[in-house]
Amino acid sequence: QAVVTQEPSLTVSPGGTVTLTCGSSTGTVTSSHFPFWFQQKPGQAPRTLIYDTNDKHSWTPARFSGSLLGGKAALTLSDAQPDDEAIYYCMLSYSGARVFGGGTELTVL
Amino acid sequence: QVQLVQSGAEVKKPGASLKISCKTSGYTFTSYTLHWVRQAPGQRPEWMGRINPGNGDTEYLQKFQGRVTITRDTSATTAYMELSSLTSEDSAMYYCVQHWYFEVWGRGTLITVSS
Repeated sequence: QAVVTQEPSLTVSPGGTVTLTCGSSTGTVTSSHFPFWFQQKPGQAPRTLIYDTNDKHSWTPARFSGSLLGGKAALTLSDAQPDDEAIYYCMLSYSGARVFGGGTELTVL
Repeated sequence: QVQLVQSGAEVKKPGASLKISCKTSGYTFTSYTLHWVRQAPGQRPEWMGRINPGNGDTEYLQKFQGRVTITRDTSATTAYMELSSLTSEDSAMYYCVQHWYFEVWGRGTLITVSS
C-alpha cells in the first residue's frame, strides 16, 4: 500500500499564508490521485474542504485552495484565522483505494 | 437535510465480530456512495471501503479484504459494516460518510476491543 506523507506540523501567523503539502511514496501526485483535504478539530469528525485537487464544498471558506505543486498536492490557506487551528489530512486515491496522509497540525500563532 | 445516524458504542472481545449500522435520511439513499472510515485515537483516518447503495457494488481496502463486509438495506435506507476477527488494533471510531466526495460524516461509533 502506498504511503502518503505530510508535514507533521506548521505554524502560521494570523492573517498570514501557509501551504501544506501531500506527497506519495509512488511518485508524483497528479490529478488522477483525486486529492482530498480534510480539516479535523479535537473531538470532531473530519470535515471535507477540498476534493479532486481544487474543488470546494459549499461550506469551504474561500481562503482555502487546493493545487498541485512540485509533484505534490497542496492546500494553501490565505489570511489564516485562529479558527483554522486544526489537523489537516490529505487523502489520495490509488485505483479506487483511498489512503490518508499522517496529517499536519496547523497552529495559528 | 442529510443525516447519518450510527449505532452506539460497543465493547468487543478479541476474535469477535462487529456490525455497525448507518441509518440515513434526507436524500435518495440509492443515489450516493457511502464510505466507511475508521480512526484510532491519535492516528490518521483509514478508509476501509465503500458501497454503491444503488446496486450493492462494494470496494474494500486490500488490508481488510476477507475481514470486512459492507452491505445495505435499501428499504431501511441503512448501510452496515461488518468486521470480523477483531484485535485490539481494531479499537477506533468508525464513521460512515455519504457521497463520493465525502460530503457528510456520521458522528461515529466507538469500538473498543478488549479482553
